[in-house]
Amino acid sequence: GENVEQHPSTLSVQEGDSAVIKCTYSDSASNYFPWYKQELGKRPQLIIDIRSNVGEKKDQRIAVTLNKTAKHFSLHITETQPEDSAVYFCAASRSNYQLIWGAGTKLIIKP
Amino acid sequence: GAGVSQSPRYKVTKRGQDVALRCDPISGHVSLYWYRQALGQGPEFLTYFNYEAQQDKSGLPNDRFSAERPEGSISTLTIQRTEQRDSAMYRCASSPQGSANEKLFFGSGTQLSVL
Repeated sequence: GENVEQHPSTLSVQEGDSAVIKCTYSDSASNYFPWYKQELGKRPQLIIDIRSNVGEKKDQRIAVTLNKTAKHFSLHITETQPEDSAVYFCAASRSNYQLIWGAGTKLIIKP
Repeated sequence: GAGVSQSPRYKVTKRGQDVALRCDPISGHVSLYWYRQALGQGPEFLTYFNYEAQQDKSGLPNDRFSAERPEGSISTLTIQRTEQRDSAMYRCASSPQGSANEKLFFGSGTQLSVL
């Protein structure tokens, strides 16, 4: 069935460096790709999303890129800060109303 | 309200008991989802409502699980004859217009522990 693979499962970077999280999806009909951030003990919150008619989208220090041919999309965080520490989930649309979720990446920012 | 509200925040129950988990979505939101989330894992889809209609319940693990949204607003997820394997965080989410291509607003969840 359709799935979304997310890598790495854990990522540790020095404060100020960049972080990249990658996802691969299998359903060629997927056309919406959101990223959610979940801080410890909190609810998931949307941080950025991209639709299939766009190759890249930026919002301050975060960006998402999409390669539809390869079925890859990635989250890029530049100039990482302690408050970026969280679990990040990618997802891909499966149908009119459903998302398929990645397993999550725990991002650790080292001081 | 300010966001999606879930109650109770924590529920401890004995094996075999029934539990009812409540979700109050953002006013006016068409779509309501129930998810289960294991620690450190992504949300696992359980069921989906469009207004009061339950349009997909394919993610409910078995027939002990049921959900309703009778007036198209508040929803209840009921688990009958709870088992230890049902222990998890249960999250509700809503979205404005009933499309997968829009922001989901998650509740803070109900942490269920079955002893």
